[in-house]
Amino acid sequence: AQKITQTQPGMFVQEKEAVTLDCTYDTSDPSYGLFWYKQPSSGEMIFLIYQGSYDQQNATEGRYSLNFQKARKSANLVISASQLGDSAMYFCAMRELQGGFQKLVFGTGTRLLVSP
Amino acid sequence: GAVVSQHPSRVICKSGTSVKIECRSLDFQATTMFWYRQFPKQSLMLMATSNEGSKATYEQGVEKDKFLINHASLTLSTLTVTSAHPEDSSFYICSARSPQGGTEAFFGQGTRLTVV
Repeated sequence: AQKITQTQPGMFVQEKEAVTLDCTYDTSDPSYGLFWYKQPSSGEMIFLIYQGSYDQQNATEGRYSLNFQKARKSANLVISASQLGDSAMYFCAMRELQGGFQKLVFGTGTRLLVSP
Repeated sequence: GAVVSQHPSRVICKSGTSVKIECRSLDFQATTMFWYRQFPKQSLMLMATSNEGSKATYEQGVEKDKFLINHASLTLSTLTVTSAHPEDSSFYICSARSPQGGTEAFFGQGTRLTVV
C-alpha cells in the first residue's frame, strides 16, 4: 500500500505567485515525521521543511510552509512568492519506525515549473 | 547543517565490472547511513540501511551479493555494485541523519551510474 501519495505529477505557477503541492500519508504509528525535499536537475536532495506528528503548529521555513492536517493525513507544502529557481522535483517523505530503524518513505514527486 | 559527501558523482563502467561508491559524513559521526536508488523520473527507493560495525539491513528484493555495503567507520559507508549490468544503471544516493537530535536526513550529491 502506498504510504505517501503525491497526486500531482506536475504543477505550473507564475513567478511571484504561491503554489500548493499536495501530499497525503498513511500510517498507524502515532509518532512520525513528515518532510519535504527539493531535487533540482543536478540530483541532490535539499531538505526544505519538517513537521512532527505531535507538533501543534504548522511548520514554516522562510517561503515554505507546511499545511498539516492530521485528521485528514495531509501535509501539503505551500511555496509563497515563487521564484524561477524553485523549478524542480519536490518529494514528500515520511519517517517511520521499521525493523528498529527510522526510515524515510518517499512519494512519487511533483515537478514544479515556475514561469516568468 | 551537516554535510554528506558522495563520490563519484558520475561513473561509466563496462558490463561485468564492479563499481564502488563512497558516502562520507564530513562533520558528524553517522552510525547509520541509508542507500537509495532512483530510476529516471521515479522516486527514491530505499535499498539498504548501513550500520557501522555490523551487517547492512537490506530491503526486500535487493540482492545482498549484488550490492555490497561496508560501513567500516563512523564517517564512511561504501556501496559496491558487483558484476554490473546495464539494468543497474541508475542514480544512487546516500543519506545520514545527524546524531545531534536533528530531524532531517542529510543527503549526498548522488552518483549517476551508467553501465555500458
